[in-house]
Amino acid sequence: DTGVSQNPRHKITKRGQNVTFRCDPISEHNRLYWYRQTLGQGPEFLTYFQNEAQLEKSRLLSDRFSAERPKGSFSTLEIQRTEQGDSAMYLCASTQAESTDTQYFGPGTRLTVL
Amino acid sequence: DAKTTQPNSMESNEEEPVHLPCNHSTISGTDYIHWYRQLPSQGPEYVIHGLTSNVNNRMASLAIAEDRKSSTLILHRATLRDAAVYYCILRAATLPNEKLTFGTGTRLTIIP
Repeated sequence: DTGVSQNPRHKITKRGQNVTFRCDPISEHNRLYWYRQTLGQGPEFLTYFQNEAQLEKSRLLSDRFSAERPKGSFSTLEIQRTEQGDSAMYLCASTQAESTDTQYFGPGTRLTVL
Repeated sequence: DAKTTQPNSMESNEEEPVHLPCNHSTISGTDYIHWYRQLPSQGPEYVIHGLTSNVNNRMASLAIAEDRKSSTLILHRATLRDAAVYYCILRAATLPNEKLTFGTGTRLTIIP
């Protein structure tokens, strides 16, 4: 298995544009998480899925953000009408629901909003 | 969520042991202590976890105080590849697959 992958790795966009990121989890993992990380801070939780069901959303996830996992495999995170404050690293992680420990993280997508 | 406190930064010489402390004075009896690290330009990666007893794996050792209010991550022989931000995180045993709550961690610099 190649681990969690994320695309694109970098995205530069202008304020007001929409962006979409993709996460492919480890194949047998049924839980998928999105986190956001700004410079000098630890990652902050955004949302998570078990299979295709979105089970929790952080208050950080404004209505401009939407995440989907339509077939319980890959997930997308869309940000509409981007703002400069959305500039951050967006991290995806996956785990098996039956497991009691490790979350496996992807390399992240770095978003820069100009 | 129970909170952890870590030093902002530490330095260590290459090939020497490193002891990274974490205070968690409000830990509950069922909280596991987890450590993750984040190398530059990468996502976090799991290092080790424990509940009460000291733990060893191929990456590190975890020493847990008897009252569980503090713990220490031990890298036995630091290499340049161990330069990273190290996060100490508490996870409730009753909610093992809940989100991770990261603090700001300890930035470890390895001096050649």
